[in-house]
Amino acid sequence: ETGVTQSPTHLIKTRGQQVTLRCSSQSGHNTVSWYQQALGQGPQFIFQYYREEENGRGNFPPRFSGLQFPNYSSELNVNALELDDSALYLCASSPGTGGIGETQYFGPGTRLLVL
Amino acid sequence: ILNVEQSPQSLHVQEGDSTNFTCSFPSSNFYALHWYRWETAKSPEALFVMTLNGDEKKKGRISATLNTKEGYSYLYIKGSQPEDSATYLCAFMNAGGTSYGKLTFGQGTILTVHP
Repeated sequence: ETGVTQSPTHLIKTRGQQVTLRCSSQSGHNTVSWYQQALGQGPQFIFQYYREEENGRGNFPPRFSGLQFPNYSSELNVNALELDDSALYLCASSPGTGGIGETQYFGPGTRLLVL
Repeated sequence: ILNVEQSPQSLHVQEGDSTNFTCSFPSSNFYALHWYRWETAKSPEALFVMTLNGDEKKKGRISATLNTKEGYSYLYIKGSQPEDSATYLCAFMNAGGTSYGKLTFGQGTILTVHP
């Protein structure tokens, strides 16, 4: 196991609602990245946080936001949920800055269904 | 838009067969190429991080090669076992742009090894 945990494992929401997904990184890992995996596709990068600051963002709208805390936990918040937000959400942590040559350790994901 | 392609999409082999899959990625602004193995209901498991042209990495019966000039990587499994059944993902990290630490994933190769 990677030592990265996510909660909840599954979640059902309705369109327009807001959701918070949680990730607990390995102790000492300063970087956390979030990915969205839609059915039949590879994971897509949402954003990355390093020491509580966002330091990289993919092609996702501002209603996707995040927080990283000093205790190596982090959150992904999604406002105004849309049906297309139904996906598996993965977080991944790494010990340094998340850059070249550094392994990202993934959690098992949270499966979100938006009705 | 970065395009990472994996082939084949799925593969069925018999126990004991050796197999290989391909990951194609942009050859410009190369930073790193990651390989992951992802078993159902588990976290993606990091196999290799490859950064240098001509890199060859090995972990047990699994090995990988990297050609950054032509933009491809091969993953080989020697003597496949049923426990090798999983989705194998490659992910590319490029040196340019503002998405520091971003992994761009292929859609994966689903391997099924039949006893």
